[in-house]
Amino acid sequence: EAQVTQNPRYLITVTGKKLTVTCSQNMNHEYMSWYRQDPGLGLRQIYYSMNVEVTDKGDVPEGYKVSRKEKRNFPLILESPSPNQTSLYFCASRMTGMVGELFFGEGSRLTVL
Amino acid sequence: AQSVTQLGSHVSVSEGALVLLRCNYSSSVPPYLFWYVQYPNQGLQLLLKYTSAATLVKGINGFEAEFKKSETSFHLTKPSAHMSDAAEYFCAVSPQTGANNLFFGTGTRLTVIP
Repeated sequence: EAQVTQNPRYLITVTGKKLTVTCSQNMNHEYMSWYRQDPGLGLRQIYYSMNVEVTDKGDVPEGYKVSRKEKRNFPLILESPSPNQTSLYFCASRMTGMVGELFFGEGSRLTVL
Repeated sequence: AQSVTQLGSHVSVSEGALVLLRCNYSSSVPPYLFWYVQYPNQGLQLLLKYTSAATLVKGINGFEAEFKKSETSFHLTKPSAHMSDAAEYFCAVSPQTGANNLFFGTGTRLTVIP
């Protein structure tokens, strides 16, 4: 089954404790992206990757890091989480050229105390 | 710059009634437009897309949307609401070329009343 898998789905952590949200897709997609969803703000792009070892900032990259060492994986790293990073996070992927046709994971709800 | 505006953060309809969710876009270049649906505790799923072919676009689950350039609109409709349509719906826009991002609206939560 074609899917984007995120882990963990739910996480409560404390300010400053580094965490990683993993994302893996099994569709051989070149493009992957991270979004955060906040009430009243819709989805905002954090980082994206056009292919292995190619990453770039989205609209709200501050406080986040990513890496793309393998085609299928695109982890999101919060080096020193803060309460304003409490949000619902989505990983998404698509084929090159298929603009806008994103496949989304089920989301990771993060709470930073 | 590109953006979309979704009028109405919450819409309620009776089962069997017409569903109309509004989306207006702002774009300096011809855009591609999309509607996504998010069911509770799930990720977003593509409902339909406009990519400059036919202006009336049909999607999954009986939904359709019409691209109206003169009104800069891309409203989502369904003739008869079903209980299973209760979800949050997002309109999104991207340029036709060189797109690295989709710009999402703030979403409309649809409630279907039995």
